[in-house]
Amino acid sequence: AQKVTQAQTEISVVEKEDVTLDCVYETRDTTYYLFWYKQPPSGELVFLIRRNSFDEQNEISGRYSWNFQKSTSSFNFTITASQVVDSAVYFCALTQVSGANSKLTFGKGITLSVRP
Amino acid sequence: DAGVIQSPRHEVTEMGQEVTLRCKLISGHNSLFWYRQTMMRGLELLIYFNNNVPIDDSGMPEDRFSAKMPNASFSTLKIQPSEPRDSAVYFCASSLEGTGEYEQYFGPGTRLTVT
Repeated sequence: AQKVTQAQTEISVVEKEDVTLDCVYETRDTTYYLFWYKQPPSGELVFLIRRNSFDEQNEISGRYSWNFQKSTSSFNFTITASQVVDSAVYFCALTQVSGANSKLTFGKGITLSVRP
Repeated sequence: DAGVIQSPRHEVTEMGQEVTLRCKLISGHNSLFWYRQTMMRGLELLIYFNNNVPIDDSGMPEDRFSAKMPNASFSTLKIQPSEPRDSAVYFCASSLEGTGEYEQYFGPGTRLTVT
């Protein structure tokens, strides 16, 4: 069985602070993919990043960076110099790959509020 | 390219009425997922299709819910009869599986209110 735990439920920071969103996962599969999604107040779910289980390289995209560590089964997301527009619910997700079929297991999400 | 398209965006109906939600996949994608999101239960996968075939419908709440993919680019989710507890945001997502990608792209959602 797969599980994604986002222990933080709500985080509030002041603009320009750095913030890290934690994600811990459980899976018995050796091949899997991890994702982060953003859900702003407007409600849509926006795909941010995919990582496969064989690629532990950290990734940086502008103010966003992701740290994948298989040893601790974690896939954490850091926003540097946060902005008000970063306020959203952030979901971490995991998919097993079984043949050509897969489905996502989502964490419960972290509500990030960035205050001006 | 157009993203996943869902209609209607908002639906208000009375208990007992039939509701049909519609979804158009991203062109070229081969998998479709229906989700429901509520404050209490978060995001729940209802059903997913791969190449028009239902693969997992274990999340469909009960027989009142049904989903179809009449062709490779379109799907419907029907609730008949609707109940107030069905009120939620329903998302459709599509993905291209079998190529090492697997990320799902979500539509804007349909906010359903059953009174």
